[in-house]
Amino acid sequence: NAGVTQTPKFRVLKTGQSMTLLCAQDMNHEYMYWYRQDPGMGLRLIHYSVGEGTTAKGEVPDGYNVSRLKKQNFLLGLESAAPSQTSVYFCASSTIRDSRNQPQHFGDGTRLSIL
Amino acid sequence: LAKTTQPISMDSYEGQEVNITCSHNNIATNDYITWYQQFPSQGPRFIIQGYKTKVTNEVASLFIPADRKSSTLSLPRVSLSDTAVYYCLVVLQAGTALIFGKGTTLSVSS
Repeated sequence: NAGVTQTPKFRVLKTGQSMTLLCAQDMNHEYMYWYRQDPGMGLRLIHYSVGEGTTAKGEVPDGYNVSRLKKQNFLLGLESAAPSQTSVYFCASSTIRDSRNQPQHFGDGTRLSIL
Repeated sequence: LAKTTQPISMDSYEGQEVNITCSHNNIATNDYITWYQQFPSQGPRFIIQGYKTKVTNEVASLFIPADRKSSTLSLPRVSLSDTAVYYCLVVLQAGTALIFGKGTTLSVSS
């Protein structure tokens, strides 16, 4: 049972390059999330999705785009990477039961460095 | 969105009981309180969730007073492996996102 899988685990980019981070979950969860974590800042929500074909902005959406074309996948894109986007990125998924959000399951993170 | 406040850091020794308190003054009627644990280089992991009074599982206990404006995560007899960051969240109704704060960094020494 893989749970939440993030690809890649590490990446180094140059300023201005673009890339896509992939998140895949095998638990048939409706909700998926992308967070970034910086030292001393805790986890900050970038974008999230409440279902296939839907996305919504979180706390820090600028500079990122997302897509949820399939229920099991949630993609995070950086169109023109900036050094300020150097961070650890976490993907999570969750389901709903009794109209209530259930606990989120997290991946192991993607460590991204922008030079 | 309901916001939470918790201490930035706490220190403890092995074998002690640790209590981490979280304040959530504007919690709504349908909100639940949830705690996550995060070890270095890993994603957060769900610990416990509750609505009122007391909830206990194999890892921790969660105490919630009647007014629900605060909650306390209790870790009995901590060990070195409990050194982690602990996040308190107020879980809203389905269809809304969660907001993680900075969490509480717990350091356990021998």
